[in-house]
Amino acid sequence: NAGVMQNPRHLVRRRGQEARLRCSPMKGHSHVYWYRQLPEEGLKFMVYLQKENIIDESGMPKERFSAEFPKEGPSILRIQQVVRGDSAAYFCASSPGRDLMNTEAFFGQGTRLTVV
Amino acid sequence: KQEVTQIPAALSVPEGENLVLNCSFTDSAIYNLQWFRQDPGKGLTSLLLIQSSQREQTSGRLNASLDKSSGRSTLYIAASQPGDSATYLCAVLRDKLIFGTGTRLQVFP
Repeated sequence: NAGVMQNPRHLVRRRGQEARLRCSPMKGHSHVYWYRQLPEEGLKFMVYLQKENIIDESGMPKERFSAEFPKEGPSILRIQQVVRGDSAAYFCASSPGRDLMNTEAFFGQGTRLTVV
Repeated sequence: KQEVTQIPAALSVPEGENLVLNCSFTDSAIYNLQWFRQDPGKGLTSLLLIQSSQREQTSGRLNASLDKSSGRSTLYIAASQPGDSATYLCAVLRDKLIFGTGTRLQVFP
């Protein structure tokens, strides 16, 4: 059972380009969380998705950022018209979500986005 | 709004010491609390999960306790080793996982 897979591991984009970050949850997990970690800072919640549904996007910037988790395929975090301030590590976590008391979140290795 | 704080922010100790890392949270209505380890430039590794109804969990040299009513958890590391050097994060789960600020640990030989 492979862990949470994120790709690419490193992504360089010029200002104004689009960044697409992918996350494949662990097998059997239907809940996905995205977090952002700025240099020397903690992990900040961005969005929580279940298959085909956005459950909580309270941490997402109102503009340029979007996320989806389709019925088939990975979850995608999309950043349009990137700016230097978007440079960060983006982590994805997945959980089965069935029993919240026992829900253990497993994290991917992250995608490190650099905007030049 | 849930806020999670970790003390100390940084800790540097000689090998062999027993350590206590602290985590406090403002809203006790949580499902569980999870401790993670993060190595520089790496992802997060789950260490221990404590359900809200539990008082503690143990794994090897690690022991985590939870006092939900007072909004506190501690991670105890016995006989620390240089390989334990990393940032330790606690996170509480209600509707989403909220992370603490982290404790950066360095264990020197």
